[in-house]
Amino acid sequence: AAGVIQSPRHLIKEKRETATLKCYPIPRHDTVYWYQQGPGQDPQFLISFYEKMQSDKGSIPDRFSAQQFSDYHSELNMSSLELGDSALYFCASSAGTELFFGEGSRLTVL
Amino acid sequence: GQNIDQPTEMTATEGAIVQINCTYQTSGFNGLFWYQQHAGEAPTFLSYNVLDGLEEKGRFSSFLSRSKGYSYLLLKELQMKDSASYLCAVLTTDSWGKLQFGAGTQVVVTP
Repeated sequence: AAGVIQSPRHLIKEKRETATLKCYPIPRHDTVYWYQQGPGQDPQFLISFYEKMQSDKGSIPDRFSAQQFSDYHSELNMSSLELGDSALYFCASSAGTELFFGEGSRLTVL
Repeated sequence: GQNIDQPTEMTATEGAIVQINCTYQTSGFNGLFWYQQHAGEAPTFLSYNVLDGLEEKGRFSSFLSRSKGYSYLLLKELQMKDSASYLCAVLTTDSWGKLQFGAGTQVVVTP
């Protein structure tokens, strides 16, 4: 069965650079979520989209932005990267209650 | 806001049973999830409880008491591959789909 696809799986950036993460939800899932998980921490909600509109916002820094496109894929744009942005970034999608997570994109900021 | 508490770590022997407790305080409770997460991997869905009672799914069972703000995940016939972090997560009515996670319980299965 198709799962949530995230790319890239690994990304290394320098401080103050920009990074873009992509998420392709499970087909016919109308909601996409982004979570950030730092080392040894639980996932923290960043932002979500329902039918291409932002539906909720969590602890997402102003340096980050996201959008959902007409084909329902979503992109998380991160600018002026800081060392503390190094984390696993998970995308999840749902068509109801259950969230299905992608395998994550590991961002390392040097 | 939501306060979600679960033990940091539990150790058990292969073939044994382990119960992971989770307590929460929240407004507008709309369900509780349990996820399994191996290091560096995505959380994997285990169970969802919205009504009081026990849900059984193979070697895993999950219980919920809404009046007590309490849930547990029961892992039976432990296998080495069950060594992972188990995350309790609460869904609230004020934000559909935005899970609030607990810090996770690291289960270590020993031979």
